[in-house]
Amino acid sequence: ELKVEQNPLFLSMQEGKNYTIYCNYSTTSDRLYWYRQDPGKSLESLFVLLSNGAVKQEGRLMASLDTKARLSTLHITAAVHDLSATYFCAVVRSGGGADGLTFGKGTHLIIQP
Amino acid sequence: EAGVAQSPRYKIIEKRQSVAFWCNPISGHATLYWYQQILGQGPKLLIQFQNNGVVDDSQLPKDRFSAERLKGVDSTLKIQPAKLEDSAVYLCASNLYGWGSQETQYFGPGTRLLVL
Repeated sequence: ELKVEQNPLFLSMQEGKNYTIYCNYSTTSDRLYWYRQDPGKSLESLFVLLSNGAVKQEGRLMASLDTKARLSTLHITAAVHDLSATYFCAVVRSGGGADGLTFGKGTHLIIQP
Repeated sequence: EAGVAQSPRYKIIEKRQSVAFWCNPISGHATLYWYQQILGQGPKLLIQFQNNGVVDDSQLPKDRFSAERLKGVDSTLKIQPAKLEDSAVYLCASNLYGWGSQETQYFGPGTRLLVL
C-alpha cells in the first residue's frame, strides 16, 4: 500500500525566514504533486514533478524530487504572510491505468508578521 | 477557461438518508476523479473514470456509495444510506488525458456534507 508522509504537520514561522517541508513516499512513483489549500477552499496546483532530480520554482516556493530516496521537498524562501495555508504532497502509484493521487496529511503553515 | 463545477456546495442530512453530488469537469477533460476529504486530512481517492468507464474504484465503499459518468462528461456520486462518518468534503477533479499524462489534476470547490 502506498503511503505518503509529510513533516512537519504543523509549522509556525516568522516572515522573512526560510523553511523546508518534507514528503516521503513508500513505493515507486513517477509523478509527485504539490498542492496548496486555503481554509474552506479547494486545492490549487503548485508543482508537478516528473523525474529524478526535477526542480521547479515559482516565486518564493521551490520543489524538488529525489526518486531514489523517495523524497520531495518544498522550500520556502523569505516567507511572507500570504503563503500561510496547508500544503499537500501527493503521489501517483507507478504502473497500471489508474492514476488517482495518494495524499499526505498536509502541512499546516502559519506565517506570522 | 471555466473550472471544475460542483453542486451543491453544502448539504446537511440525517443519518440513513441518501444524498447525491454532481460534478461537471473542465471541458474536454477525459478523466474524472472523486475524492473524500475528512477534516484535518488529505483527500482520499474514491473513484476514477476515464471517459465513461471506471478505471479504479478500489477505495469506494460500494455497499453505500455509487458513482456514474454517463456520456463521459458530468458525473454524480451518491451515498445511500449515509453514516455519521461520511461527513466530509467531496472533491471532484479532472485531468485532460488521464493515465501517463503530465497534466495536473484540477479540483473543484467541493461539496461539504454534514451527516447528523
